[in-house]
Amino acid sequence: GENVEQHPSTLSVQEGDSAVIKCTYSDSASNYFPWYKQELGKRPQLIIDIRSNVGEKKDQRIAVTLNKTAKHFSLHITETQPEDSAVYFCAATSGGLVFGKGTKLTVNP
Amino acid sequence: KAGVTQTPRYLIKTRGQQVTLSCSPISGHRSVSWYQQTPGQGLQFLFEYFSETQRNKGNFPGRFSGRQFSNSRSEMNVSTLELGDSALYLCASSFYGSPQETQYFGPGTRLLVL
Repeated sequence: GENVEQHPSTLSVQEGDSAVIKCTYSDSASNYFPWYKQELGKRPQLIIDIRSNVGEKKDQRIAVTLNKTAKHFSLHITETQPEDSAVYFCAATSGGLVFGKGTKLTVNP
Repeated sequence: KAGVTQTPRYLIKTRGQQVTLSCSPISGHRSVSWYQQTPGQGLQFLFEYFSETQRNKGNFPGRFSGRQFSNSRSEMNVSTLELGDSALYLCASSFYGSPQETQYFGPGTRLLVL
């Protein structure tokens, strides 16, 4: 079945810096890659997603890139703000969503 | 449009008991998926229901079961609870549950097994 690896597990940046989180997946049949943000005690919220027919997608300060050949995708957050602090999960579809282990992002003011 | 709702929000049970959790999807959504979230294992897929039928199943023992009703509301049941079943149980809904569809999560039910 599908396996998703996510790195790093923790990331600390200064406000205004960029943050990059990387994920790899194993099943070449996977064709949908969402990213979720989960704040402490809250539900995961979709922040951006990408489908296999697209290489890059951007939404304001957030962008995701997908390399299907290498089977990896990345989340890029620019101009980070303290409210970006949360745990971020990448996922790939294989039946249900298969999630990475998460990255705890801390943005220091 | 109201979001995904789950009841109860918190539960405390003892080993050997069973528990039933409920999930009401976003209006019009017919697919409901269930996930278990623990600090050690992260978010893991349990199963997915569409039109009252289980379509996909994750790698969990048979003690974990579910069902879906004609109004798309779903329940999951865990029998013979073990300490390791303590977790946040999340459900997510989408219109058809197709692989490229966004899933919207509920707030979760936090289960503590003593």
